[in-house]
Amino acid sequence: EAQVTQNPRYLITVTGKKLTVTCSQNMNHEYMSWYRQDPGLGLRQIYYSMNVEVTDKGDVPEGYKVSRKEKRNFPLILESPSPNQTSLYFCASTLVPGAEQYFGPGTRLTVT
Amino acid sequence: DQQVKQNSPSLSVQEGRISILNCDYTNSMFDYFLWYKKYPAEGPTFLISISSIKDKNEDGRFTVFLNKSAKHLSLHIVPSQPGDSAVYFCAAGPTGNQFYFGTGTSLTVIP
Repeated sequence: EAQVTQNPRYLITVTGKKLTVTCSQNMNHEYMSWYRQDPGLGLRQIYYSMNVEVTDKGDVPEGYKVSRKEKRNFPLILESPSPNQTSLYFCASTLVPGAEQYFGPGTRLTVT
Repeated sequence: DQQVKQNSPSLSVQEGRISILNCDYTNSMFDYFLWYKKYPAEGPTFLISISSIKDKNEDGRFTVFLNKSAKHLSLHIVPSQPGDSAVYFCAAGPTGNQFYFGTGTSLTVIP
């Protein structure tokens, strides 16, 4: 089954404790993105990647890092999480630019 | 500053009638336009897209209209069904990699 998986689905952590949210797709897509969804703000793009070792900033990259060492994986790293990063995070992938993106189920992160 | 706006947070429609969801954008460089549907506790799923060189695209009950001069797109669902009840997001971007999403419109189709 074609899918995008994210782990963990739920995470509660404390300010400053480094964390990684994993994202994996099994569709051999080159393009992947991370988004966060907040009430009243919709989805905002954090980072995107066009291929292995090729990443670029989206609309709200501050406080986040990403890496793309393998085509299927695109982890989101929060080196020092803060409460304003409490949000619902989605990973997405697509075969070609501009085409439909396949979204993961989401990771709800709470930073206290 | 929100580059893509959905000014109606919610919409209620009777089953069988037309649902019209609207979306406005500010950047004339946007060339890619898509609509997504989202159910609670799930990720968004793709619904329909439109190329900037077209003004209409149809897929079954769903039609998207694009008015580039007005920087406006709309999604028409005809006939609306209870299973269409969800949050709908429009997305637009200048390239195929960068996307700006609206804040969503929650559609309720009343049986």
